[in-house]
Amino acid sequence: EAGVAQSPRYKIIEKRQSVAFWCNPISGHATLYWYQQILGQGPKLLIQFQNNGVVDDSQLPKDRFSAERLKGVDSTLKIQPAKLEDSAVYLCASSQELDLADTQYFGPGTRLTVL
Amino acid sequence: KQEVTQIPAALSVPEGENLVLNCSFTDSAIYNLQWFRQDPGKGLTSLLLIQSSQREQTSGRLNASLDKSSGRSTLYIAASQPGDSATYLCAVSGAGSYQLTFGKGTKLSVIP
Repeated sequence: EAGVAQSPRYKIIEKRQSVAFWCNPISGHATLYWYQQILGQGPKLLIQFQNNGVVDDSQLPKDRFSAERLKGVDSTLKIQPAKLEDSAVYLCASSQELDLADTQYFGPGTRLTVL
Repeated sequence: KQEVTQIPAALSVPEGENLVLNCSFTDSAIYNLQWFRQDPGKGLTSLLLIQSSQREQTSGRLNASLDKSSGRSTLYIAASQPGDSATYLCAVSGAGSYQLTFGKGTKLSVIP
């Protein structure tokens, strides 16, 4: 079974530029999560999708971050414009259903550096 | 607001030792608690999930316990191996919320 795929793996941009990350969850997984992990911290949930609907985006900085999952499969996360404090690893995860007992499977992450 | 604390932040042990990692959380109204492992440059791997009604879970050399009333969990690793070197993260989900709140992790180094 293929795991969660993310691209790119690394990205370096200057502040005020835009950037987009892509995630392809495990086939058949209805729930998709985007996390932000700043160096030395635990991951923080940014947004959670159930199929193509948003379940929770309470911690997403909506003035600069946006995410979509139009067909209920893969997803993109965009930052526009980027700030220095956005430097972090962006992790995508998926689970079979919207159920807290379901294991979340994580991708390798995209490491973003904002200069 | 739920806060999760992990102690120690880093731990170095010789191969073969048994060890305990600690996790504490401020709000005892949790749905479940999970332990994850994170290797450098990689995502997280779920190790153990304990429902709020359970006291412990075991998988191989790993044993996790949960004391919900005191807001504590421990991860016990028996007969540690160099391959156990990684960062171990504890996360809790609150009742009525699908959000996981993570601790900052414990970085474990097992010396051959």
